[in-house]
Amino acid sequence: EIVLTQSPGTLSLSPGERATLSCRASQSVSTNYLAWYQQKPGQSPRLLIYGASSRATGIPDRFSGSGSGTDFTLTISRLEPEDFAVYFCHQYGSSQTFGQGTKVEIK
Amino acid sequence: QVQLQQSGPGLVKPSQTLSLTCAISGDSVSSNSAAWNWIRQSPSRGLEWLGRTYYRSKWYNDYAVSVKSRIIINPDTSKNQFSLQLNSVTPEDTAIYYCARGTYTTGWYDYWGQGTLVPVSS
Repeated sequence: EIVLTQSPGTLSLSPGERATLSCRASQSVSTNYLAWYQQKPGQSPRLLIYGASSRATGIPDRFSGSGSGTDFTLTISRLEPEDFAVYFCHQYGSSQTFGQGTKVEIK
Repeated sequence: QVQLQQSGPGLVKPSQTLSLTCAISGDSVSSNSAAWNWIRQSPSRGLEWLGRTYYRSKWYNDYAVSVKSRIIINPDTSKNQFSLQLNSVTPEDTAIYYCARGTYTTGWYDYWGQGTLVPVSS
């Protein structure tokens, strides 16, 4: 099973700042089959990025994904108030596993 | 627009069976380009994929190793929905359960149900 480790656990930033979230896999993720989701309290996860770098429909371009192999990054270029949430990575190249999440909180 | 509407009991006793249903609108459970998944989330286990059903000229099911011996996911084409049955539950099965559409056979989840909190308690 591929284990995904996200860092940091919590990111404390101010609106307008840049957020960089990391997702590291225990082995190479096949064909960059990696997605990112945003989850707010009491809500279901929302797809942001798939295929490591493709934005889902309706996702603002301040969200971008990058990486390959075992190291992936989600970047939020300028945090908006609605972006403070928990973010999960998900690999679907070998069965399905999720990272434990990174919480982006207001500093 | 695809929508997934979950229904089912919100409390299950230990050793009993957890049953949930996910009704699909805007797509078909028999789609040749989607898979229909159950995922759960708990503080101790995080997000955990449980299994899926999908149609590719015939029906297929895949289940997570952790629950394989006690899970059944069934499609219901007459009602355009699919269901989760998890047998012999314990308190460790307490979680929020989500249904989700997966793109292609193995892919990202682009639509999610609203989630159902299922405590397992006597």
